[in-house]
Amino acid sequence: SAVISQKPSRDICQRGTSLTIQCQVDSQVTMMFWYRQQPGQSLTLIATANQGSEATYESGFVIDKFPISRPNLTFSTLTVSNMSPEDSSIYLCSVEGWGQGKINYGYTFGSGTRLTVV
Amino acid sequence: SQELEQSPQSLIVQEGKNLTINCTSSKTLYGLYWYKQKYGEGLIFLMMLQKGGEEKSHEKITAKLDEKKQQSSLHITASQPSHAGIYLCGADNSDKLIFGTGTRLQVFP
Repeated sequence: SAVISQKPSRDICQRGTSLTIQCQVDSQVTMMFWYRQQPGQSLTLIATANQGSEATYESGFVIDKFPISRPNLTFSTLTVSNMSPEDSSIYLCSVEGWGQGKINYGYTFGSGTRLTVV
Repeated sequence: SQELEQSPQSLIVQEGKNLTINCTSSKTLYGLYWYKQKYGEGLIFLMMLQKGGEEKSHEKITAKLDEKKQQSSLHITASQPSHAGIYLCGADNSDKLIFGTGTRLQVFP
């Protein structure tokens, strides 16, 4: 299955600033996904990123707040803009884990970025 | 939109005891995933179920999908402290994965 490198692993940011999170995959993938996990909560999908097109955002998430880039089939970034303390969460990227012979390894996740906004 | 409800929300068991976590969907499940998350870490893929009545096991963890494909259960036999964490069910929904509400498991000696 794919291996994902996500960075930074954690950051503490001042309110009003922006943070860009990077996600690098060791193989080419069509779709990449970005999730948010608020403290004590489950994961909520922010958007789906396809290479060569604009990301598709879920209800409650907008491009101005969470701009996403997908310049190629192995890389994506998520920016959290104009941050407030309510943005303090873990942010995770994910890809669909199809291996050789269409064996489904499930969706693979990065190790996450723990963001604290002060 | 599809919603996944997990029960219980949290579970505290003594080492060696068996336990079951349930995941109920508001719509038919076409792919049901179980993940484990250690506190503050990434997700570990456990199992995927697709067919009604399907059951899979790995070590001491067994997952089942009911015949109607609207409910799944995760059963842990003889729990150990290493089983502690957050268990999440996830459903394939139009080529994306949505998650259940999560179950926090603590295992004490």
